[in-house]
Amino acid sequence: NAGVTQTPKFQVLKTGQSMTLQCAQDMNHEYMSWYRQDPGMGLRLIHYSVGAGITDQGEVPNGYNVSRSTTEDFPLRLLSAAPSQTSVYFCASSSRGTQYFGPGTRLLVL
Amino acid sequence: GIQVEQSPPDLILQEGANSTLRCNFSDSVNNLQWFHQNPWGQLINLFYIPSGTKQNGRLSATTVATERYSLLYISSSQTTDSGVYFCAVNYGQNFVFGPGTRLSVLP
Repeated sequence: NAGVTQTPKFQVLKTGQSMTLQCAQDMNHEYMSWYRQDPGMGLRLIHYSVGAGITDQGEVPNGYNVSRSTTEDFPLRLLSAAPSQTSVYFCASSSRGTQYFGPGTRLLVL
Repeated sequence: GIQVEQSPPDLILQEGANSTLRCNFSDSVNNLQWFHQNPWGQLINLFYIPSGTKQNGRLSATTVATERYSLLYISSSQTTDSGVYFCAVNYGQNFVFGPGTRLSVLP
């Protein structure tokens, strides 16, 4: 099992550009989620999904879109990047309350 | 929403010392996890512990759900224990993280 994978590892964007952060898991978990981690802070939930076709907002959803067409994949889209979205993004999948995290994507918006 | 607090915010130990990290939460939760974020940023599951006590080597954790707190014990600390320790609670459909305890273990 690869567990939870994320691509890319690093990305630099200009303000206003769009991009998609990819997340995939091979553990057949129904629950998947996206977090952002800012310097010196804990993780904050952006969006989550309890299964294919079902998504919902977390604590900080503004500026981000998600979709869940398959159990395996849960991409996060930034439609128009802003400097405030500079952060490290973690994807996670969960089974029976235990979360497993990907390695993270470090995003810099100039 | 639920509030999750962790103490202390920072902790510096000499190698071989023991420590206790605390996580308080303001409402009933479905479960609780402890994570270690190593200096390279990787998040590692330590315990899934909605209640009771668990042990894994030098680490153990206790959650008293009725009193809304959890404790993480680290014994005989090693430099590789350095990093940030987070607790996270499952509240409804959401997972809410505490702000973390930054641990530095000195050789």
